[in-house]
Amino acid sequence: KAGVTQTPRYLIKTRGQQVTLSCSPISGHRSVSWYQQTPGQGLQFLFEYFSETQRNKGNFPGRFSGRQFSNSRSEMNVSTLELGDSALYLCASSFTYRGPVSTDTQYFGPGTRLTVL
Amino acid sequence: SQQGEEDPQALSIQEGENATMNCSYKTSINNLQWYRQNSGRGLVHLILIRSNEREKHSGRLRVTLDTSKKSSSLLITASRAADTASYFCATGAAGNKLTFGGGTRVLVKP
Repeated sequence: KAGVTQTPRYLIKTRGQQVTLSCSPISGHRSVSWYQQTPGQGLQFLFEYFSETQRNKGNFPGRFSGRQFSNSRSEMNVSTLELGDSALYLCASSFTYRGPVSTDTQYFGPGTRLTVL
Repeated sequence: SQQGEEDPQALSIQEGENATMNCSYKTSINNLQWYRQNSGRGLVHLILIRSNEREKHSGRLRVTLDTSKKSSSLLITASRAADTASYFCATGAAGNKLTFGGGTRVLVKP
């Protein structure tokens, strides 16, 4: 079974631009989460989507947004890029969403490394 | 903000030795997961331990969980050069949101 795929793998943008990252979950997985990893802040949760609905959101400004399509693929968008947005963006998929009852195992993609100049 | 703190931040051992790292967290959880990351790549899931479990094994990995102390440990036995990586604990409390610790960098010298 193919793993989580993320495109593009590397991206260079300049301040003020916007960027869209894509994630395809493992076949049959319906939940997709996004994380940002930086040397200073570590791994931080951005948001989670299940059945095309945002189920959970981290503490990031509104410039960060996402969506999920009916085939469970997900995109995240960052508008008006800032230097501090340079990071490794990781997508994770899991089989389902269980609400407060449980947290599924997350399977991570290789990440998209975004550099903002 | 990060839920957990990992200790030590870095660890250097010889091949064949055991590596132990600890993770502490602050709030109630439904499970705790350990992940490995090689050189800034994606995270690889190692093991999940539920809040009602105390110990779990997977191959050369042993994880313990003490919910009264809000802490967990990961033991890698008979380490290999290929175990060189960063190891992260992550707690799950609601939905599929994981809150990660700062990680332990492990170097296994041949």
